[in-house]
Amino acid sequence: QQQVKQSPQSLIVQKGGISIINCAYENTAFDYFPWYQQFPGKGPALLIAIRPDVSEKKEGRFTISFNKSAKQFSLHIMDSQPGDSATYFCAALLNTGFQKLVFGTGTRLLVSP
Amino acid sequence: GAVVSQHPSRVICKSGTSVKIECRSLDFQATTMFWYRQFPKQSLMLMATSNEGSKATYEQGVEKDKFLINHASLTLSTLTVTSAHPEDSSFYICSANRGGGEQFFGPGTRLTVL
Repeated sequence: QQQVKQSPQSLIVQKGGISIINCAYENTAFDYFPWYQQFPGKGPALLIAIRPDVSEKKEGRFTISFNKSAKQFSLHIMDSQPGDSATYFCAALLNTGFQKLVFGTGTRLLVSP
Repeated sequence: GAVVSQHPSRVICKSGTSVKIECRSLDFQATTMFWYRQFPKQSLMLMATSNEGSKATYEQGVEKDKFLINHASLTLSTLTVTSAHPEDSSFYICSANRGGGEQFFGPGTRLTVL
Protein backbone atom coordinates (compact mmCIF):
# COMPACT_ATOMS: atom_id res chain seq x y z
CA GLN A 1 0.00 0.00 0.00
CA GLN A 2 3.03 2.25 0.36
CA GLN A 3 4.10 1.69 -3.23
CA VAL A 4 4.09 4.24 -6.00
CA LYS A 5 3.84 2.64 -9.42
CA GLN A 6 5.53 4.48 -12.27
CA SER A 7 5.36 3.95 -16.02
CA PRO A 8 6.82 3.70 -18.56
CA GLN A 9 10.19 2.36 -17.53
CA SER A 10 11.79 4.08 -20.49
CA LEU A 11 10.66 6.61 -23.04
CA ILE A 12 12.04 7.96 -26.30
CA VAL A 13 10.64 11.25 -27.56
CA GLN A 14 11.63 13.38 -30.49
CA LYS A 15 12.85 16.90 -29.88
CA GLY A 16 9.89 19.22 -29.60
CA GLY A 17 7.51 16.45 -28.59
CA ILE A 18 5.61 15.91 -25.36
CA SER A 19 6.97 13.49 -22.78
CA ILE A 20 4.39 11.94 -20.47
CA ILE A 21 5.20 9.90 -17.37
CA ASN A 22 2.52 8.39 -15.18
CA CYS A 23 2.35 7.39 -11.53
CA ALA A 24 -0.29 5.74 -9.39
CA TYR A 25 -0.64 5.20 -5.66
CA GLU A 26 -2.95 3.46 -3.21
CA ASN A 27 -2.36 5.07 0.16
CA THR A 28 -4.62 8.08 0.73
CA ALA A 29 -2.27 9.23 3.51
CA PHE A 30 0.10 10.58 0.85
CA ASP A 31 -0.31 14.37 0.78
CA TYR A 32 2.49 15.77 -1.35
CA PHE A 33 3.64 14.57 -4.76
CA PRO A 34 7.01 15.77 -6.10
CA TRP A 35 8.83 14.89 -9.27
CA TYR A 36 12.60 14.61 -9.35
CA GLN A 37 15.02 14.72 -12.26
CA GLN A 38 18.29 12.83 -11.99
CA PHE A 39 21.27 12.90 -14.31
CA PRO A 40 23.82 10.04 -14.24
CA GLY A 41 26.12 10.24 -11.23
CA LYS A 42 24.18 13.11 -9.68
CA GLY A 43 21.63 13.45 -6.92
CA PRO A 44 17.94 13.95 -7.76
CA ALA A 45 16.80 17.53 -8.26
CA LEU A 46 13.33 18.66 -7.30
CA LEU A 47 11.53 19.58 -10.51
CA ILE A 48 7.95 20.34 -9.59
CA ALA A 49 5.49 19.24 -6.92
CA ILE A 50 1.78 19.26 -6.25
CA ARG A 51 -0.58 18.83 -3.32
CA PRO A 52 -3.83 16.84 -3.64
CA ASP A 53 -6.10 19.88 -3.39
CA VAL A 54 -4.92 21.03 -6.82
CA SER A 55 -5.59 19.22 -10.12
CA GLU A 56 -2.83 20.80 -12.17
CA LYS A 57 0.36 22.75 -11.69
CA LYS A 58 2.51 24.23 -14.40
CA GLU A 59 6.04 25.56 -14.20
CA GLY A 60 7.56 26.48 -17.52
CA ARG A 61 7.54 23.43 -19.78
CA PHE A 62 6.70 21.07 -16.91
CA THR A 63 3.13 20.30 -15.86
CA ILE A 64 1.78 17.96 -13.21
CA SER A 65 -1.74 16.64 -13.66
CA PHE A 66 -3.31 15.17 -10.55
CA ASN A 67 -6.42 12.98 -10.36
CA LYS A 68 -7.27 12.46 -6.72
CA SER A 69 -10.22 10.12 -7.29
CA ALA A 70 -8.17 7.85 -9.54
CA LYS A 71 -5.09 8.20 -7.31
CA GLN A 72 -2.96 9.00 -10.31
CA PHE A 73 -0.64 11.82 -11.27
CA SER A 74 1.48 12.50 -14.27
CA LEU A 75 4.32 14.68 -15.49
CA HIS A 76 4.12 16.32 -18.89
CA ILE A 77 7.21 17.83 -20.45
CA MET A 78 6.25 20.11 -23.32
CA ASP A 79 8.63 20.91 -26.17
CA SER A 80 11.04 18.21 -24.95
CA GLN A 81 14.71 18.98 -25.47
CA PRO A 82 17.81 16.75 -25.60
CA GLY A 83 18.90 18.35 -22.33
CA ASP A 84 15.80 16.86 -20.70
CA SER A 85 17.26 13.38 -21.23
CA ALA A 86 17.50 12.03 -17.68
CA THR A 87 15.79 9.69 -15.27
CA TYR A 88 12.60 11.01 -13.72
CA PHE A 89 11.20 9.81 -10.43
CA CYS A 90 7.77 10.50 -9.07
CA ALA A 91 7.37 10.37 -5.32
CA ALA A 92 4.69 10.62 -2.69
CA LEU A 93 5.08 11.93 0.84
CA LEU A 94 3.77 9.90 3.73
CA ASN A 95 3.08 12.43 6.42
CA THR A 96 2.49 10.38 9.54
CA GLY A 97 4.86 11.71 12.19
CA PHE A 98 7.94 11.28 10.02
CA GLN A 99 7.76 12.80 6.57
CA LYS A 100 8.83 9.88 4.43
CA LEU A 101 9.10 10.01 0.64
CA VAL A 102 8.12 6.91 -1.30
CA PHE A 103 9.66 6.83 -4.76
CA GLY A 104 8.47 5.37 -8.00
CA THR A 105 10.77 3.07 -9.95
CA GLY A 106 11.92 5.78 -12.36
CA THR A 107 11.57 6.53 -16.06
CA ARG A 108 14.58 6.92 -18.30
CA LEU A 109 13.78 9.60 -20.83
CA LEU A 110 15.75 10.02 -24.03
CA VAL A 111 14.96 13.00 -26.22
CA SER A 112 16.35 12.46 -29.68
CA PRO A 113 17.69 15.48 -31.60
CA GLY B 1 16.14 25.75 -4.76
CA ALA B 2 17.87 24.92 -1.53
CA VAL B 3 21.44 23.61 -1.53
CA VAL B 4 22.58 20.38 0.06
CA SER B 5 26.19 19.31 -0.16
CA GLN B 6 27.85 15.94 0.38
CA HIS B 7 31.45 15.09 1.02
CA PRO B 8 33.27 13.22 -0.32
CA SER B 9 31.77 12.83 -3.77
CA ARG B 10 33.73 9.68 -4.38
CA VAL B 11 35.61 7.32 -2.09
CA ILE B 12 37.51 4.10 -2.63
CA CYS B 13 38.47 2.08 0.40
CA LYS B 14 39.76 -1.32 1.36
CA SER B 15 37.48 -3.98 2.78
CA GLY B 16 37.21 -3.74 6.55
CA THR B 17 37.74 -0.01 6.82
CA SER B 18 35.15 2.56 7.88
CA VAL B 19 34.02 5.44 5.73
CA LYS B 20 32.30 8.64 6.85
CA ILE B 21 30.07 10.66 4.54
CA GLU B 22 28.96 14.18 5.46
CA CYS B 23 25.72 15.83 4.42
CA ARG B 24 25.20 19.56 4.92
CA SER B 25 22.27 21.85 4.24
CA LEU B 26 23.99 25.07 3.19
CA ASP B 27 21.22 27.66 3.21
CA PHE B 28 18.54 26.31 5.49
CA GLN B 29 18.21 24.44 8.75
CA ALA B 30 16.99 20.87 8.59
CA THR B 31 15.66 19.15 11.65
CA THR B 32 15.29 16.02 9.56
CA MET B 33 17.70 14.55 7.04
CA PHE B 34 17.45 11.29 5.14
CA TRP B 35 19.95 8.78 3.84
CA TYR B 36 19.29 6.81 0.68
CA ARG B 37 21.11 4.14 -1.22
CA GLN B 38 20.82 3.74 -4.96
CA PHE B 39 22.00 0.83 -7.07
CA PRO B 40 22.66 1.30 -10.80
CA LYS B 41 19.52 1.91 -12.83
CA GLN B 42 17.33 1.55 -9.76
CA SER B 43 15.26 3.83 -7.61
CA LEU B 44 16.29 5.37 -4.33
CA MET B 45 15.99 3.17 -1.28
CA LEU B 46 15.50 4.95 2.04
CA MET B 47 17.97 3.68 4.63
CA ALA B 48 17.24 5.88 7.60
CA THR B 49 15.74 9.11 8.85
CA SER B 50 18.06 11.32 10.82
CA ASN B 51 16.65 13.72 13.40
CA GLU B 52 18.74 16.44 14.99
CA GLY B 53 19.52 15.64 18.58
CA SER B 54 17.98 12.19 18.63
CA LYS B 55 18.62 8.68 17.40
CA ALA B 56 18.11 7.88 13.76
CA THR B 57 15.20 5.75 12.61
CA TYR B 58 16.27 2.90 10.38
CA GLU B 59 14.21 1.22 7.70
CA GLN B 60 13.53 -2.47 7.95
CA GLY B 61 16.50 -4.55 6.89
CA VAL B 62 19.08 -1.80 7.38
CA GLU B 63 21.70 -2.68 10.00
CA LYS B 64 22.03 0.20 12.44
CA ASP B 65 25.40 -1.02 13.67
CA LYS B 66 26.66 -1.15 10.12
CA PHE B 67 25.41 2.27 9.05
CA LEU B 68 25.95 4.73 11.89
CA ILE B 69 24.11 8.02 11.56
CA ASN B 70 24.75 11.16 13.58
CA HIS B 71 22.75 14.37 13.18
CA ALA B 72 24.93 16.69 15.22
CA SER B 73 23.41 20.00 14.20
CA LEU B 74 20.58 21.50 12.17
CA THR B 75 22.84 21.60 9.12
CA LEU B 76 24.96 18.46 9.39
CA SER B 77 24.29 14.74 9.31
CA THR B 78 26.91 12.04 8.89
CA LEU B 79 26.70 8.45 7.71
CA THR B 80 29.50 6.10 8.69
CA VAL B 81 29.73 2.78 6.91
CA THR B 82 31.56 0.59 9.40
CA SER B 83 33.77 -2.34 8.38
CA ALA B 84 32.85 -1.81 4.75
CA HIS B 85 32.71 -4.77 2.39
CA PRO B 86 32.39 -4.94 -1.41
CA GLU B 87 28.63 -5.45 -1.15
CA ASP B 88 28.39 -2.02 0.50
CA SER B 89 29.62 -0.42 -2.72
CA SER B 90 26.85 1.85 -3.90
CA PHE B 91 25.73 5.42 -4.49
CA TYR B 92 24.73 7.04 -1.20
CA ILE B 93 22.56 10.14 -1.30
CA CYS B 94 21.35 12.33 1.52
CA SER B 95 18.45 14.74 1.54
CA ALA B 96 17.33 17.48 3.87
CA ASN B 97 13.78 18.43 4.72
CA ARG B 98 13.18 22.16 4.40
CA GLY B 99 9.65 21.83 5.70
CA GLY B 100 6.28 21.21 4.11
CA GLY B 101 7.57 17.94 2.72
CA GLU B 102 10.13 19.56 0.46
CA GLN B 103 13.25 17.40 0.36
CA PHE B 104 16.39 18.59 -1.32
CA PHE B 105 19.02 16.08 -2.27
CA GLY B 106 22.77 16.18 -2.12
CA PRO B 107 24.91 15.29 -5.14
CA GLY B 108 25.62 11.80 -3.83
CA THR B 109 28.70 9.85 -2.79
CA ARG B 110 30.00 6.97 -4.85
CA LEU B 111 31.48 4.37 -2.50
CA THR B 112 33.67 1.61 -3.89
CA VAL B 113 34.96 -1.03 -1.51
CA LEU B 114 37.80 -3.13 -2.82
